[in-house]
Amino acid sequence: EPEVTQTPSHQVTQMGQEVILRCVPISNHLYFYWYRQILGQKVEFLVSFYNNEISEKSEIFDDQFSVERPDGSNFTLKIRSTKLEDSAMYFCASKGQGASPLHFGNGTRLTVT
Amino acid sequence: RKEVEQDPGPFNVPEGATVAFNCTYSNSASQSFFWYRQDCRKEPKLLMSVYSSGNEDGRFTAQLNRASQYISLLIRDSKLSDSATYLCVPTYGGATNKLIFGTGTLLAVQP
Repeated sequence: EPEVTQTPSHQVTQMGQEVILRCVPISNHLYFYWYRQILGQKVEFLVSFYNNEISEKSEIFDDQFSVERPDGSNFTLKIRSTKLEDSAMYFCASKGQGASPLHFGNGTRLTVT
Repeated sequence: RKEVEQDPGPFNVPEGATVAFNCTYSNSASQSFFWYRQDCRKEPKLLMSVYSSGNEDGRFTAQLNRASQYISLLIRDSKLSDSATYLCVPTYGGATNKLIFGTGTLLAVQP
């Protein structure tokens, strides 16, 4: 069964550094998402991406965040200057057309020290 | 009002028990509904879609009541491996069809 893959599985960075989280969505999917989950809290929507542009973003997704689909397969989330409160699990997801469910990758655990 | 409301639990049940989870959602424009499960520190995984007429997948039965904006999940013959957080997830259509997650219901199946 095709799956969403994310790398790295764990990223440790110092406050103020830039990080790029990488995702390879399922190949025939058209909609891409980033979610995050702070330890002990619920999964929160960050951003959705369709047709090479952001289609929706949440209040969390401020100017420090950006997304890119640099080629036909990768989908990246960049955090320009990390803060301690960015420490969380970041999940990438993708979906096909219509009312299909989202499929999630197994996440990148980001630890900001 | 929260977009999704579920009893957070935990629901502690013995193996073999039948357990039911309820969920209410606030946005009447919600178009599609899913149950996901999430194991500790793992990604949410699709358990099943929820159809208007109700649907069953093995030991799992999902029901939807659009008039009451209410969704349920019934698990029969609980297994230890069913221990997880169960997330009721409506979608909101439009261009993004994003999922909005609540805190879910924690199920612990005891031997």
